[in-house]
Order: sequence, then C-alpha cells, then structure tokens
Amino acid sequence: AQKITQTQPGMFVQEKEAVTLDCTYDTSDQSYGLFWYKQPSSGEMIFLIYQGSYDEQNATEGRYSLNFQKARKSANLVISASQLGDSAMYFCAMREAAGVMNTGFQKLVFGTGTRLLVSP
Amino acid sequence: NAGVTQTPKFRVLKTGQSMTLLCAQDMNHEYMYWYRQDPGMGLRLIHYSVGEGTTAKGEVPDGYNVSRLKKQNFLLGLESAAPSQTSVYFCASNRRQGHQPQHFGDGTRLSIL
Repeated sequence: AQKITQTQPGMFVQEKEAVTLDCTYDTSDQSYGLFWYKQPSSGEMIFLIYQGSYDEQNATEGRYSLNFQKARKSANLVISASQLGDSAMYFCAMREAAGVMNTGFQKLVFGTGTRLLVSP
Repeated sequence: NAGVTQTPKFRVLKTGQSMTLLCAQDMNHEYMYWYRQDPGMGLRLIHYSVGEGTTAKGEVPDGYNVSRLKKQNFLLGLESAAPSQTSVYFCASNRRQGHQPQHFGDGTRLSIL
C-alpha cells in the first residue's frame, strides 16, 4: 500500500526566511503524482503544487517549489520568503492507482501534516 | 465562483440519528470524493465517484453511504450515526483531464453525542 510520511509535526520560521517541509513516500508504482495542500486555520484545503513522477524538472509555483528526489522517495516543499499568511497546516499527498494516471482520477493518500508557524 | 459547496457547515447529532451531507460543484467535474479528517490522521477517503450514477468505496467506507444522481451533486449519508463518526468531512472534485488537482469544499464539522 502506498504511504506518505511527514515527520515534522510542527515547524517555526521567521518572516522572510525560507523553510522546507519534509515529505517521504512509499510506493511500488512507477507512475505516480505528488501534491501539496495548505490548510489555514479557517479549514479549507488549498492546492499549492504538483509533481509527476516522470517530470524531469522540479515543480515551482511562485514562492513554492518542490524538491523532488525520486531515488530517495522524497518530495519536500520549499517556501521561500515566508509570510505571516503562510502559517497553516501543510499536507503532502500521493496519487494512487497506476494505470489511470492520464484519466484525471485520483485516489489521494495524505500524510498527517506539518503545522507551520511564521513569526514576525 | 462557488466552486465546491458543502452543506451544512456544522451539525450536532445524537447517536443513532441519520443525516445527509450535501456536496455541490459548479465546475462540471467528473470526479467527486468524500473525505474525513481526524486529529493527527490527515484526510482519509470514504467514498468516491467517477461519474453520474457511479460510486465506489474508499479507505474508510463503513457506516456511510453515498449517491450521485446528478453530476454536480454528491451526497454522503450516515444511516445510524456513531460517536466514532465525529469528524470534519470534506468533499472534493476534479476534472477528468490530466493531472488536475482536487478542489475542496470548506468542510462540514459533525459532532455525534
């Protein structure tokens, strides 16, 4: 079974600094996808970034980038220039179901999350 | 731009009562999902649907039923609520094409006494 591990229950960072949130995964599939979501205190789930297992370059979306190390099975989220509004829970998730990668259907397996606190 | 709308946002039930959570999306998405979120456990998939009239079990389906009679709606039912079903429930949807991310509703906080 596929599994996502986020070993950092909480992280602290000062405003304007960069922070890395760790995510390791376990899968026997060759084709898979990795997602990061943000959950602020208000509760909604906000999509941040996606990395496909066959993508040659690390994904980037504005201040978010994904440090994808396939051999190590890690997909760490890097937030550059942290802002107070980045304080939230962050979830790493992996897309299950090899063989349906191009259909859009996703059975996501989530990690337990990392709570990030950005201080002034 | 409503996106994914969940009703109700909060509900308190007594053990044994039944209720239905409604999820509606206005993005014409083919796929829809119901998750539950419990402290320290991340999100777990309850049921999902790949199209109108089709549903399937996820990781934790026991005690829940679902229906998708219309493409835009995905209903989650609790026939006989139990305290173990106290949780925050999220609905999500996404398009069929490519690696589209799931769009989530704002969640329903359900307490069962």
